[in-house]
Amino acid sequence: NAGVTQTPKFQVLKTGQSMTLQCAQDMNHEYMSWYRQDPGMGLRLIHYSVGAGITDQGEVPNGYNVSRSTTEDFPLRLLSAAPSQTSVYFCASSPLSGNEQFFGPGTRLTVL
Amino acid sequence: KQEVTQIPAALSVPEGENLVLNCSFTDSAIYNLQWFRQDPGKGLTSLLLIQSSQREQTSGRLNASLDKSSGRSTLYIAASQPGDSATYLCAGLRVNAGNMLTFGGGTRLMVKP
Repeated sequence: NAGVTQTPKFQVLKTGQSMTLQCAQDMNHEYMSWYRQDPGMGLRLIHYSVGAGITDQGEVPNGYNVSRSTTEDFPLRLLSAAPSQTSVYFCASSPLSGNEQFFGPGTRLTVL
Repeated sequence: KQEVTQIPAALSVPEGENLVLNCSFTDSAIYNLQWFRQDPGKGLTSLLLIQSSQREQTSGRLNASLDKSSGRSTLYIAASQPGDSATYLCAGLRVNAGNMLTFGGGTRLMVKP
């Protein structure tokens, strides 16, 4: 199993550009989520999904969109990038509610 | 606001020492407690998950305990090694919030040879 994979590893955007961060898992997990990690702020939940076709907002959802068309994939879209979205983004998955969560290697995003 | 606090923020010990990392949480709705390791520039590696029905979990030289009544968890590392140097994060899981993990700020551990 590859586990949770994320692409790209690094990305530089200009303010106003859009992009999609990819996340995939091959463990048939129901739950998938996106976190951002910022110095002094820790990791914060952006969006999550409890299964294909079902998504919901987390703690810091503004400026981000998600969709879940398959169990395996959970892309995160930045519609119009802002410098405040400079961060490291992590995708996570888990099989069932309350179970151990597994994280991907992260995407380091810089918005100029 | 639910909070998860980790003390100390940084710790430096000589190789071979046994050490304890502390995690406290104020949210009574926290269901499970998960400990992670993060190496610089890397992702999070899951170390141990303690479910609410358990009091502790062990994996090799690691032992984690959970006391929901006092809102505390500890991670015990036995016979520390330089390879244990990393940031250790605890996270409380709130099942009624989309499986959301609430993270502590982490403890940066340095084990000196």
